[in-house]
Amino acid sequence: QLQLQESGPGLVKPSETLSLTCTVSGGSIRSSSYYWGWIRQPPGKGLEWIGNIYSNGNTYYNPSLKSRVTISVDTSKNQFSLRLSSVTAADTAVYYCARQVGYYGSGSLDYWGQGTLVTVSS
Amino acid sequence: QSALTQPASVSGSPGQSITIFCSGASSDIGSYDLVSWYQQHPGKAPKLMIYEVTKRPSGVSNRFSGSKSGNTASLTISGLQAEDEADYYCCSYVDTRTYVVFGGGTKLTVL
Repeated sequence: QLQLQESGPGLVKPSETLSLTCTVSGGSIRSSSYYWGWIRQPPGKGLEWIGNIYSNGNTYYNPSLKSRVTISVDTSKNQFSLRLSSVTAADTAVYYCARQVGYYGSGSLDYWGQGTLVTVSS
Repeated sequence: QSALTQPASVSGSPGQSITIFCSGASSDIGSYDLVSWYQQHPGKAPKLMIYEVTKRPSGVSNRFSGSKSGNTASLTISGLQAEDEADYYCCSYVDTRTYVVFGGGTKLTVL
């Protein structure tokens, strides 16, 4: 059974960079036809797609976050990562990693991590 | 700001059927069969319920069904049960620039 697990600091200072890693187990991140994505959810609000990455490093980003987001992959560790720069309180959210299927990762998100709360505060 | 519009809330009694609509545009929902639906209980990760408009993942109850008409997708839950009370989100591919967006979410209350 595929499992995804987010990890990283739960508290980040304003203007600094948020960094999270998603570790994939029970399957290979190199599997064809799958992209690996990040989604976030501010407290009490809806879901926001951040972006995704393929095992060869090809990425797609939400244009509203594109200038601050970098998603990378480490196939040797079966992990992919999120970096979000210049964070503000508006970036406080539960961050989820997930597997995204479909043509160039345009489809559904079928496996999700449990999510990790990141708070931006001094 | 979402490109997909959902009602904020819907409700129904046990045993009844409800439908949640997700309104998009001719350039997204109207052009692609890439609509998916997610169920989220409080404090939990979203769960995929419907993908590619009408398909159900293994293990999802057949009380859940999806469809699309024009620029609007819909999720129907029949035989409502207390455990169906949750937030529901639609999601779709939009275009090569925006890529993927979620609807604003709908809170389902089982009366």
